[in-house]
Amino acid sequence: GAVVSQHPSRVICKSGTSVKIECRSLDFQATTMFWYRQFPKKSLMLMATSNEGSKATYEQGVEKDKFLINHASLTLSTLTVTSAHPEDSSFYICSASRREGSTDTQYFGPGTRLTVL
Amino acid sequence: GENVEQHPSTLSVQEGDSAVIKCTYSDSASNYFPWYKQELGKRPQLIIDIRSNVGEKKDQRIAVTLNKTAKHFSLHITETQPEDSAVYFCAAINSGNTPLVFGKGTRLSVIA
Repeated sequence: GAVVSQHPSRVICKSGTSVKIECRSLDFQATTMFWYRQFPKKSLMLMATSNEGSKATYEQGVEKDKFLINHASLTLSTLTVTSAHPEDSSFYICSASRREGSTDTQYFGPGTRLTVL
Repeated sequence: GENVEQHPSTLSVQEGDSAVIKCTYSDSASNYFPWYKQELGKRPQLIIDIRSNVGEKKDQRIAVTLNKTAKHFSLHITETQPEDSAVYFCAAINSGNTPLVFGKGTRLSVIA
């Protein structure tokens, strides 16, 4: 299957700092990547859709100035949590869409566990 | 927009028994239905998927069925094993470049 990586896998930061999370498709080009957030024992909540070369589309209730998304190339999207607070602590997962024949399949990165002290 | 309902939220079965998880969707335009398995602290892994032009798909002990008329699809795991214990998510989508809409998940416990 397709390989999607995320870095870092874990990060602990102080309240008020910014954290950048990278999502890379290693062996395919992804015109579209998605960012999800997952709380313990809950489903994945879509935060935003990231398209290469254009602005991200944010879901209702997600602050675009707090969660900055940049999709600079066909293999890299970044999520920056600005001025992080303890309530931002969560598991953040990206997925990348790969064209397979006439359809697209989404593959997930391993996730980043963010803890804000 | 699409809405996906998943049942049950928790499921316990004895090792060797079968497990069935059911999902319904609301958007008749949805045409791709993947199932993901997520172990604690790890990424969701695609285990099987089905497209709207197919009614059933099987891969060893795992099968998925789709009823487009009723707008529901199900995951069937036969001869369950302890390593099948995980959270399973269904999802629906009508285009690969639009976001997956997930169900709330089913926590499956296989008791040895």
